[in-house]
Amino acid sequence: AQTVTQSQPEMSVQEAETVTLSCTYDTSENNYYLFWYKQPPSRQMILVIRQEAYKQQNATENRFSVNFQKAAKSFSLKISDSQLGDTAMYFCAIPRSGAGSYQLTFGKGTKLSVIP
Amino acid sequence: DTGVSQNPRHKITKRGQNVTFRCDPISEHNRLYWYRQTLGQGPEFLTYFQNEAQLEKSRLLSDRFSAERPKGSFSTLEIQRTEQGDSAMYLCASSIYAGELFFGEGSRLTVL
Repeated sequence: AQTVTQSQPEMSVQEAETVTLSCTYDTSENNYYLFWYKQPPSRQMILVIRQEAYKQQNATENRFSVNFQKAAKSFSLKISDSQLGDTAMYFCAIPRSGAGSYQLTFGKGTKLSVIP
Repeated sequence: DTGVSQNPRHKITKRGQNVTFRCDPISEHNRLYWYRQTLGQGPEFLTYFQNEAQLEKSRLLSDRFSAERPKGSFSTLEIQRTEQGDSAMYLCASSIYAGELFFGEGSRLTVL
């Protein structure tokens, strides 16, 4: 069974600084996607970044980048130049093994607060 | 607004009553998902539709829960004989591509 572990329930960062959110996972799949989703307070969850496991190059989307270590099953999210709008819950997610629907298994989330 | 729409946004009900939530996905998305999220947890998968066919159901989905997507467009999630443990945020999401889900704002259920 899939497990996704986010070991940091809460984190804070000063505006304009860099923060890294950690995620480890377990899967029996060899080719899969990994995702980071953001859930701002009282707003819908949105996709931040996606990584394909067969790609060695780490994904980057503007200020967001990942450090993907396949052997270690680690998938951390780095947010550079943090902005107040980055304050949110962040969830790491992987598709459930054998699920043709690509239903996702989510971690418990990390609550990030960006401090002015 | 062409995003995923969920109604009602908040429902308060008494234990034992039935409730129904509606989800309107993004129009060209053929995949539709229901998730449940409780406080301090990530979303948990409930069920999945591809077009009008319900292809997967979680063990979390007891017999009191039923979901439909009659014409492959909107979907409903009904909970019969609600219990206090059903209190949660019910999230709907739709997608075309694998795993890239577009979520609605959710329907919060409070069972008294």
